[in-house]
Amino acid sequence: DQQVKQNSPSLSVQEGRISILNCDYTNSMFDYFLWYKKYPAEGPTFLISISSIKDKNEDGRFTVFLNKSAKHLSLHIVPSQPGDSAVYFCAASGLDFGNEKLTFGTGTRLTIIP
Amino acid sequence: ETGVTQTPRHLVMGMTNKKSLKCEQHLGHNAMYWYKQSAKKPLELMFVYSLEERVENNSVPSRFSPECPNSSHLFLHLHTLQPEDSALYLCASSQDRLAGVDTQYFGPGTRLTVL
Repeated sequence: DQQVKQNSPSLSVQEGRISILNCDYTNSMFDYFLWYKKYPAEGPTFLISISSIKDKNEDGRFTVFLNKSAKHLSLHIVPSQPGDSAVYFCAASGLDFGNEKLTFGTGTRLTIIP
Repeated sequence: ETGVTQTPRHLVMGMTNKKSLKCEQHLGHNAMYWYKQSAKKPLELMFVYSLEERVENNSVPSRFSPECPNSSHLFLHLHTLQPEDSALYLCASSQDRLAGVDTQYFGPGTRLTVL
């Protein structure tokens, strides 16, 4: 049973426009959420995170929104740039029998069209 | 070299072969991790080592055998693998086991194909 879901495997956005990547989760014990960015042939790199006590966190062009009641988070990138083309993974963290566990989604491939 | 390195970057092996994946971190971290990234599936945590001691094993089959001889090196020994084990294997490290999850540094991965 997939606890973190990214239902869109791919997304194409025009350069300069807003990119919105979505993520849904099912486990209410998750209390910390992260977005990772992955280029081909490289490992994932941390992008931005949000704690469950917040509903928004902003870092430059990147903003993450959290809707706890809907168990939904989204990553907004504005304005989108060609270098943003990558695979974006949503991840959720929470305690599982005393151990902190990190659960990833399947990723969304974002392509920015010049 | 800096950061987290992994060798080999690509590996093709038969089901009866024995091979090892190597990970090395040059960050002075005390915790290291093995992840598996299969196509169209979420990234899965396989093993966690803290100060060279295995602290987590997420129901991984015994055909995967990790080894952490020191805090800078992590190996994943492979034997009698199955075709469904073909995936990208990622190594990561963090300052310590209790560090925030956003402080894990990933290597580039080893693309494994089992024939």
